Amino acid sequence: DTGVSQNPRHKITKRGQNVTFRCDPISEHNRLYWYRQTLGQGPEFLTYFQNEAQLEKSRLLSDRFSAERPKGSFSTLEIQRTEQGDSAMYLCASSPVRRNYEQYFGPGTRLTVT
Amino acid sequence: KQEVTQIPAALSVPEGENLVLNCSFTDSAIYNLQWFRQDPGKGLTSLLLIQSSQREQTSGRLNASLDKSSGRSTLYIAASQPGDSATYLCAVRPEGGSEKLVFGKGTKLTVNP
Repeated sequence: DTGVSQNPRHKITKRGQNVTFRCDPISEHNRLYWYRQTLGQGPEFLTYFQNEAQLEKSRLLSDRFSAERPKGSFSTLEIQRTEQGDSAMYLCASSPVRRNYEQYFGPGTRLTVT
Repeated sequence: KQEVTQIPAALSVPEGENLVLNCSFTDSAIYNLQWFRQDPGKGLTSLLLIQSSQREQTSGRLNASLDKSSGRSTLYIAASQPGDSATYLCAVRPEGGSEKLVFGKGTKLTVNP
């Protein structure tokens, strides 16, 4: 296992711009998750994929947010028309096809909207 | 709605001390509970996962217990070291088909040499 990787690690953008983050899960993990974490808080669930199908979305995922996992491997999270409130750490996790569904997290992408 | 609470929010101990971190959750209908460690500005490292049918899990100096009916879990760290300094997060996966984890806000642990 090389671990979950996320790119970029840091992103600074101006309000109103669009940003896209990428997540590469652990090889052969069919489940992929996105979470958002703000300072001093625990991560909050955004969305979940099983293979290429997006099966669950949080109400936090407004219409400015879109996530894809086109071939069931890597995933992208796009935020359109960024707002200062979008500033957070965006975490990706993956989980294997095993009964315990343990989630393994990547290093995160830190987004700062100025 | 499932809510997870971690007490204390911060803890400072001298090196070598044994310590307990607490996690409580409002709905006992959980599939499993996971403890994570997070270093400043970093992602999460999974420490232990306890299935709802289990009472405890151990890994090295860490022991996590689960009392599902009372909605509580504890993480016991033996012989603490400065390298244990981090934020420890507890998360539950609710029953009912959702795959999401519901997290507490964490306990920030500082182990002083």
